[in-house]
Amino acid sequence: EAGVTQFPSHSVIEKGQTVTLRCDPISGHDNLYWYRRVMGKEIKFLLHFVKESKQDESGMPNNRFLAERTGGTYSTLKVQPAELEDSGVYFCASSQSRGLGYTFGSGTRLTVV
Amino acid sequence: KQEVTQIPAALSVPEGENLVLNCSFTDSAIYNLQWFRQDPGKGLTSLLLIQSSQREQTSGRLNASLDKSSGRSTLYIAASQPGDSATYLCAVTYNNNDMRFGAGTRLTVKP
Repeated sequence: EAGVTQFPSHSVIEKGQTVTLRCDPISGHDNLYWYRRVMGKEIKFLLHFVKESKQDESGMPNNRFLAERTGGTYSTLKVQPAELEDSGVYFCASSQSRGLGYTFGSGTRLTVV
Repeated sequence: KQEVTQIPAALSVPEGENLVLNCSFTDSAIYNLQWFRQDPGKGLTSLLLIQSSQREQTSGRLNASLDKSSGRSTLYIAASQPGDSATYLCAVTYNNNDMRFGAGTRLTVKP
């Protein structure tokens, strides 16, 4: 089966610009998660979708971040406007159910200059 | 507060050594624990998943143990190889579905 796909793999944008990250989970996985790792620190949870619904978005840092999951398939994470501290690696993961563990994508490395 | 700590932060060993990576967590109400590997510039690869009812899982040269009562997990790597060089991450899923990652252990295996 195809894994979790993230696009783009790298993005360099200027402060104040908008960037949209995309995640395609494994087909049939209802659960989709976004995480990020900034400045070499531990990976932190951003939010969790169950199908198209946001189950938990407690990790979203502020209202400059907007996540959507159209039709319960792929998800997008938009950062608008981007700030320097948003630089890091954004990971997406999916799981069929919580007990089966997670499959992670390769991540999108975002650099805000 | 649910925290996950990994020790050591970095480890360098000669090829062929057996080694142990440690992960500790502060809340014992866990659902499962997963060990990942991250290679530079790449995503996370799942190595082993231990359910809360299990004590260990094995895959090849890897063995992961779980002791919920003491809040600890170890990842044992036998006969290490240069290809094992990577960052190893411990991730704990709690019963409230929160998932917490440790900061990782950066392993270097020298030929």
